[in-house]
Amino acid sequence: EAGVVQSPRYKIIEKKQPVAFWCNPISGHNTLYWYRQNLGQGPELLIRYENEEAVDDSQLPKDRFSAERLKGVDSTLKIQPAELGDSAVYLCASSLGPRDTEAFFGQGTRLTVV
Amino acid sequence: GENVEQHPSTLSVQEGDSAVIKCTYSDSASNYFPWYKQELGKRPQLIIDIRSNVGEKKDQRIAVTLNKTAKHFSLHITETQPEDSAVYFCAAPNTGFQKLVFGTGTRLL
Repeated sequence: EAGVVQSPRYKIIEKKQPVAFWCNPISGHNTLYWYRQNLGQGPELLIRYENEEAVDDSQLPKDRFSAERLKGVDSTLKIQPAELGDSAVYLCASSLGPRDTEAFFGQGTRLTVV
Repeated sequence: GENVEQHPSTLSVQEGDSAVIKCTYSDSASNYFPWYKQELGKRPQLIIDIRSNVGEKKDQRIAVTLNKTAKHFSLHITETQPEDSAVYFCAAPNTGFQKLVFGTGTRLL
């Protein structure tokens, strides 16, 4: 069974440029998460989807970040415009349900803003 | 509560020794406590989890204990081996169980 797939693995962009990350969750997983992990820190939730509905986006900086999950499967996370402080690893995860079930992480996208 | 505190931030052990990592949480209603292992440059992977209806769970060389009264849970690794070197993260649900809040991680050397 394929795990959570993310692309690209690495991305280097100049500040003020846009960037997008893509995630394909495990088949059948209704819950999808986007996390940001800064160096030496634990993952921090940006947004959680239940099917195609964003049910928790309180930590998403909405002035520059946006996300969508069309048809309740794949998801994209976009930053426009990127800032230096956005440099981090962006992790996508999925789980069968929203509560107390194992979350499976993708390999992440390492973003460097220069 | 949103706080999950994890200690220590770095732990050095000799091969064959035991390692213990502790986490505290703030919401007494929390009922699910996973531990993730993240090797350098790789994704976090669940290694063990415990639910609030039990006090201890074991899986070969790893175990997790939960003290609901004190609101802390610990990861125990026995007979440590080189492949155990990684960063370990604990997590607990936030108030309302809408998300997992991760600890800051422990680098096991």
